[in-house]
Amino acid sequence: AQSVTQPDIHITVSEGASLELRCNYSYGATPYLFWYVQSPGQGLQLLLKYFSGDTLVQGIKGFEAEFKRSQSSFNLRKPSVHWSDAAEYFCAVGPNDYKLSFGAGTTVTVRA
Amino acid sequence: DVKVTQSSRYLVKRTGEKVFLECVQDMDHENMFWYRQDPGLGLRLIYFSYDVKMKEKGDIPEGYSVSREKKERFSLILESASTNQTSMYLCASRLAGVETQYFGPGTRLLVL
Repeated sequence: AQSVTQPDIHITVSEGASLELRCNYSYGATPYLFWYVQSPGQGLQLLLKYFSGDTLVQGIKGFEAEFKRSQSSFNLRKPSVHWSDAAEYFCAVGPNDYKLSFGAGTTVTVRA
Repeated sequence: DVKVTQSSRYLVKRTGEKVFLECVQDMDHENMFWYRQDPGLGLRLIYFSYDVKMKEKGDIPEGYSVSREKKERFSLILESASTNQTSMYLCASRLAGVETQYFGPGTRLLVL
């Protein structure tokens, strides 16, 4: 069975600073990997996904993530955060694109 | 735009009551999902429906059942609500074979 760990429960970052959210997974083969964002009072929205190919993937809202097989990681990055990036971020992994296991989430606070 | 709606944003029920949570999507998606979201645990898949009258158990189906009589509607049923089912319930849908799941805003259920 797959599992996913988001080691950081809460991150605070200054507006304009860079952001990196960590995601580690456990799965025997190359999994399907996703990052979702949940803004306050909103449903989850897909930021980006990875199945194969180029290990650096670009998503919406200026986010990118890098798949590192050797480290079983799929970390999310943004070079310069905006106040609107304050949200909860979820990493998800699965053997296919529908039976996903989600991490516990990382809450991002953006300070002015 | 894909729209996934859930019948209630907030719901308060008594222990032992039968509870129905409704989800409707307007994009003719074959696949629909029910998750529960709890702090520190992320999202956990309860049930998945890959088409009308078709369902598959997720990771935590105990205490829940589902109904999918029409393509656009997916109902989650708590046969006899218990306090440990107090949670946020999220519905999602997607087109079969397309990775992106579209989430509704969630129903926050409190069982007293």
